Order: sequence, then structure tokens, then C-alpha cells
Amino acid sequence: EPEVTQTPSHQVTQMGQEVILRCVPISNHLYFYWYRQILGQKVEFLVSFYNNEISEKSEIFDDQFSVERPDGSNFTLKIRSTKLEDSAMYFCASSIPTGLSNYGYTFGSGTRLTVV
Amino acid sequence: GQNIDQPTEMTATEGAIVQINCTYQTSGFNGLFWYQQHAGEAPTFLSYNVLDGLEEKGRFSSFLSRSKGYSYLLLKELQMKDSASYLCVPFRRNAGNMLTFGGGTRLMVKP
Repeated sequence: EPEVTQTPSHQVTQMGQEVILRCVPISNHLYFYWYRQILGQKVEFLVSFYNNEISEKSEIFDDQFSVERPDGSNFTLKIRSTKLEDSAMYFCASSIPTGLSNYGYTFGSGTRLTVV
Repeated sequence: GQNIDQPTEMTATEGAIVQINCTYQTSGFNGLFWYQQHAGEAPTFLSYNVLDGLEEKGRFSSFLSRSKGYSYLLLKELQMKDSASYLCVPFRRNAGNMLTFGGGTRLMVKP
């Protein structure tokens, strides 16, 4: 079964540093997303990406964050000047176009980011 | 806006059947997802209901009533590995195709 792949699975970084989280979405999917989940809290939407541009972003996704699709397969989330409160699990997801169906809205296994 | 109401926690016995109810209010409703999430892991897709009625998939079934704003997830022949959070996620058509999650229902299966 097709998978969304995320690397690394764990990342520890010092406060103020920049991190890049990487994702390889499912190959025939056209929507890509980043979500995060702070320990013990619900999954929160960050950003969606379609047709090589951001289609929606939440209020969490401020200037500290950026996304990129540097080539035909990778989708990255960059977090600049990391803060302690950025510590969370970050999930990448992808889906087929909405159309009449949302089958296949699939999440990767996540990157656990710890800011120290 | 969106409102999701499902129990915070449920407990059931191995081998039993459990029904997790969800009521929702969502403008522009398109369909409803159920996801399973084990602690520390990613949400895993269980079902997506668009039409009213029951959809069965192995031990799991999902029901939707659009007019009542109501859905349930039915888990049969419970196994210990079914201990997880179950997330009811109404989907409304939006530019970003994003999902808005609530806190879900944490199900504990006991021997």
C-alpha cells in the first residue's frame, strides 16, 4: 500500500536553530499538508499545498514557517528560529484531489521535534 | 465554523462490540472521516462516509446520517490492539482541503 514517508523520525535541535522536516508524499497525490500535534493535544492543521503553491494556512503558520517542493517528489517544512513551544510531532499528509472523494487522505509516520 | 462532540473516553472488553458516537455541526458539510490514532503515532484512515447509511469494512463499520449531523464507528470483536484514540472528522469543502481535528475518543480495551 502506498505510503507517505517522513524523515527524520526524531530531531533534537537547540532553541534558535533552523530545522527542515522532509516528506515524500504518495506519488499520484496532488494535495500536500503539514499538521502538528503537541504532546497530549489534538492534531492541528498548519498548511496545505497544491499546484506548487500554498492553498491554505492556519494562524499557527506564521513567518517562522515555510514550505517547499524542491523537486518532483519531496515536500519540506522549514522552521526558522525554533522555540521551545515548537516541540511537537509534525505530520505530513497527502491526498488525491477533492473531487467527489477524499479516499486516500494519508498521513506519514511523523517527525518528533524536540527543541532544547 | 465546526463543532464536534464525541465522548472523551470509553472502556470495553476484549471480544466485545463498542460503538463510538459523534455529533457534529459543520457548514458546507461534504463527508465524514474516521481515523484511528495510537499514542505517539500518526492518524490512520479508517473510513470516509459521504452518503447516509452504514459502510462495513472488516471488523469496523461507520454510519452517517447527514440530516441528523450524526455518525458512529462500530468496532466488533475488540482486540487489545484496538486501544487507541478514534477521531471523528467532519469535512467541509475548503480551499486547502484541510482537516480539522477534535480531541477524539480514547478507547481502552481490557482483557
